[in-house]
Amino acid sequence: QKEVEQNSGPLSVPEGAIASLNCTYSDRGSQSFFWYRQYSGKSPELIMSIYSNGDKEDGRFTAQLNKASQYVSLLIRDSQPSDSATYLCAVPLSYGQNFVFGPGTRLSVLP
Amino acid sequence: EPEVTQTPSHQVTQMGQEVILRCVPISNHLYFYWYRQILGQKVEFLVSFYNNEISEKSEIFDDQFSVERPDGSNFTLKIRSTKLEDSAMYFCASSARGDYEQYFGPGTRLTVT
Repeated sequence: QKEVEQNSGPLSVPEGAIASLNCTYSDRGSQSFFWYRQYSGKSPELIMSIYSNGDKEDGRFTAQLNKASQYVSLLIRDSQPSDSATYLCAVPLSYGQNFVFGPGTRLSVLP
Repeated sequence: EPEVTQTPSHQVTQMGQEVILRCVPISNHLYFYWYRQILGQKVEFLVSFYNNEISEKSEIFDDQFSVERPDGSNFTLKIRSTKLEDSAMYFCASSARGDYEQYFGPGTRLTVT
């Protein structure tokens, strides 16, 4: 059974701080990793994808991947109240197949 | 920017009735998916579809469920005889490649009474 784990939170950070969200996965063969943001009652919205070990930056977001530790993280710099949402880590089961989603981490950015 | 669309946004049906949920994937995408999310729970995979056939399905996707791509643009999920436990948000997603980003539609909220 392939699993994706995340701390459910809530994670509370003050406005302007760095929010750090973590995800671990069980399948050593996984090659691609995705972060989605989901506002309450809405659909998952793709934020970042990462395929190689190391860091990938896109605006205020940085994804970090460590395949040896089976760990992927998302950093949000200069957090804004509008970043308050649930962040989902998703890992494909295999090529062309479904994503396995983690339970999500609820982030609350306090003004 | 191209996006996945879904209709209806909300569907209320009685137990035992058939429902069809509709999706229009992004036009140049080749892989199509249905997921569901019961209130307060994880997003769960139902089925993936490629080259006009099902490529993978989960245990949830039993004989009561079917998918179809009736024409070049629509992708549908049919539930033949709905149960109370089918109440959930149903999301359609599409992808250009099998290992690529999946883009989700806004979802259909299905309520079975």
